Amino acid sequence: DGGITQSPKYLFRKEGQNVTLSCEQNLNHDAMYWYRQDPGQGLRLIYYSQIVNDFQKGDIAEGYSVSREKKESFPLTVTSAQKNPTAFYLCASSMQGRSETQYFGPGTRLLVL
Amino acid sequence: AQSVTQLGSHVSVSEGALVLLRCNYSSSVPPYLFWYVQYPNQGLQLLLKYTTGATLVKGINGFEAEFKKSETSFHLTKPSAHMSDAAEYFCAVSGAFSGNTGKLIFGQGTTLQVKP
Repeated sequence: DGGITQSPKYLFRKEGQNVTLSCEQNLNHDAMYWYRQDPGQGLRLIYYSQIVNDFQKGDIAEGYSVSREKKESFPLTVTSAQKNPTAFYLCASSMQGRSETQYFGPGTRLLVL
Repeated sequence: AQSVTQLGSHVSVSEGALVLLRCNYSSSVPPYLFWYVQYPNQGLQLLLKYTTGATLVKGINGFEAEFKKSETSFHLTKPSAHMSDAAEYFCAVSGAFSGNTGKLIFGQGTTLQVKP
């Protein structure tokens, strides 16, 4: 089955620690996205990538970093600089183009210890 | 700046009643419009989308939406609510600001409660 997988489902971060969220897709999509979801705030774009080895900042990139070394993978690192990391993180992918549908993974919930 | 406004963060209906979730967008050119549904602790699933052509769009699970350019609206409706429709619904738009990407702007979301 084609789709997007995210792991882990739950992640706990200690003070000053960097953590990495995994996102893998087998849909052969060029574009991938990371969103942060907080209650009552909808989805906010963190980073997106249109092609391997290239990515752009979204609206709330501070405190986060990404890489895109393979078409299938787009991991997100939440760094210690992100002071309020508790949220639900969603990864998505799509074909190129404004009319293309984004397909979402099941999400990772990040909690701070 | 582009924006999407969903009127009403919470909507409550009785089972079997009409569902109406409102979405208005700001755009200087016709956008592409999407409705997604999210069940608790899950990702988003596409309900329907408008790109070009017929302004009344039918989606999954009996939902439909109508693109009204003059009102800059894309409201989501379902004639008869089912208990399984209880979820959070997001309206989203892509447009000129997206470049050649699928970059979206999302509304704040509307939680639909269905009462027995």
